[in-house]
Amino acid sequence: KQEVTQIPAALSVPEGENLVLNCSFTDSAIYNLQWFRQDPGKGLTSLLLIQSSQREQTSGRLNASLDKSSGRSTLYIAASQPGDSATYLCAVRSTNAGKSTFGDGTTLTVKP
Amino acid sequence: DVKVTQSSRYLVKRTGEKVFLECVQDMDHENMFWYRQDPGLGLRLIYFSYDVKMKEKGDIPEGYSVSREKKERFSLILESASTNQTSMYLCASSTGQEAFFGQGTRLTVV
Repeated sequence: KQEVTQIPAALSVPEGENLVLNCSFTDSAIYNLQWFRQDPGKGLTSLLLIQSSQREQTSGRLNASLDKSSGRSTLYIAASQPGDSATYLCAVRSTNAGKSTFGDGTTLTVKP
Repeated sequence: DVKVTQSSRYLVKRTGEKVFLECVQDMDHENMFWYRQDPGLGLRLIYFSYDVKMKEKGDIPEGYSVSREKKERFSLILESASTNQTSMYLCASSTGQEAFFGQGTRLTVV
C-alpha cells in the first residue's frame, strides 16, 4: 500500500527566501505525482503534475522534481512571497491504482 | 477554464437528516471522487467513480452512498447524518492525469 509523507508539517520563512518542500513515497511504481496548494477553508488548487517518465516540471517560481528510485519529490519555491502562505499537498498515483494517495501537507507561512 | 463546482460552500443539517452533496464538472472527465478532510487526518477517500453508473468504495465509505447518473455529476449521500460526519467535503475529477478539485463544502451536523 502506497504511503506518502510530507516533512516538515509546518514551515515559516521570511519573505524573499527560496525554499524546498519535501514529499516521500514508499512504492516507486507510480503513474504520476501532483502538487497542490490549499488555502484555509478552500479546495485544492493544482500547481504541477509530473508524469513518471519526467524528472521535473516548472511553472513560474515553482519547480517540482521527481526521483522515483529514491521515492522522493521536492517542490522548490523561489523568492517566496506572503501570498505563497498556504498548505501544500502532494498526491501520488500508483500504477496499479485508479486513485491517488495524499500526504498530510506542509503548512507554509511566509512573513513580510 | 477547468471547473468543478460543488453545490454549497456551507451546509448545516440536523442529526438523522438525509443529506445530498452535489458536484458537477464541465471537463468531460471519466473519473470523479469524493473526499473528506479533517484536521490531523488529512484527505480521506470516501467513494470514486470511473464512469456513469459505476462506483467504487474508497477508504471510508461507511455511512455514505453515491450516485452517478450522468457523466458530469457525482452526488454524495449521507443516508442519516451524524455529528461525526461534520467535516469539509471535497469533490474532484480527472481523466486519470491531472486532478481538479471543487471549492469544498463545509458540512456541520448538529
